[in-house]
Amino acid sequence: GAGVSQSPSNKVTEKGKDVELRCDPISGHTALYWYRQSLGQGLEFLIYFQGNSAPDKSGLPSDRFSAERTGGSVSTLTIQRTQQEDSAVYLCASSLTPGGETQYFGPGTRLLVL
Amino acid sequence: KNQVEQSPQSLIILEGKNCTLQCNYTVSPFSNLRWYKQDTGRGPVSLTIMTFSENTKSNGRYTATLDADTKQSSLHITASQLSDSASYICVAFSGSARQLTFGSGTQLTVLP
Repeated sequence: GAGVSQSPSNKVTEKGKDVELRCDPISGHTALYWYRQSLGQGLEFLIYFQGNSAPDKSGLPSDRFSAERTGGSVSTLTIQRTQQEDSAVYLCASSLTPGGETQYFGPGTRLLVL
Repeated sequence: KNQVEQSPQSLIILEGKNCTLQCNYTVSPFSNLRWYKQDTGRGPVSLTIMTFSENTKSNGRYTATLDADTKQSSLHITASQLSDSASYICVAFSGSARQLTFGSGTQLTVLP
């Protein structure tokens, strides 16, 4: 595709429910990142995938958060038993190679947990 | 702890005027410094990437400077346009995907 796409664009859920957020990176990009952006805050790193290597999960805030990347392309971020503090914009980015390359961001998924 | 501080937090200017946004970073090791523009409701878009050996880099009306000795960067916007209204985010990269440190951004509003 022309850019990174994310779905849904908005998600409202009740506390305690599970949610799945999807990211379609730019075709051919080997690196994929998930970030969380809370209102007025900088982006918070969550998880990083690079090719077939084991993902860097060091940014995941709790074991309720998990992510997978199938076939080196599409990625899904899952939040189980959502809490109100999970409300944020979840941004996905991809880059052609890891490290110093420019990241291309998707539009984000705005999650609101009631 | 790696940190990126941006100032001002918000800025309002009139169309056609110039402005400069500041970024101070405390990141080690340091690999490169990035500026992103984030329109409301959109993901960030890269404006410039500078390594420690680069002092200045331009992208149209945007000019970024970097002083690796003082660990300061600035983003200068010339002849501002209404479409420049956005959040401008400074990001320091330490060399691994985990070590991208984002500032909280400067919210720029350009008024007609």
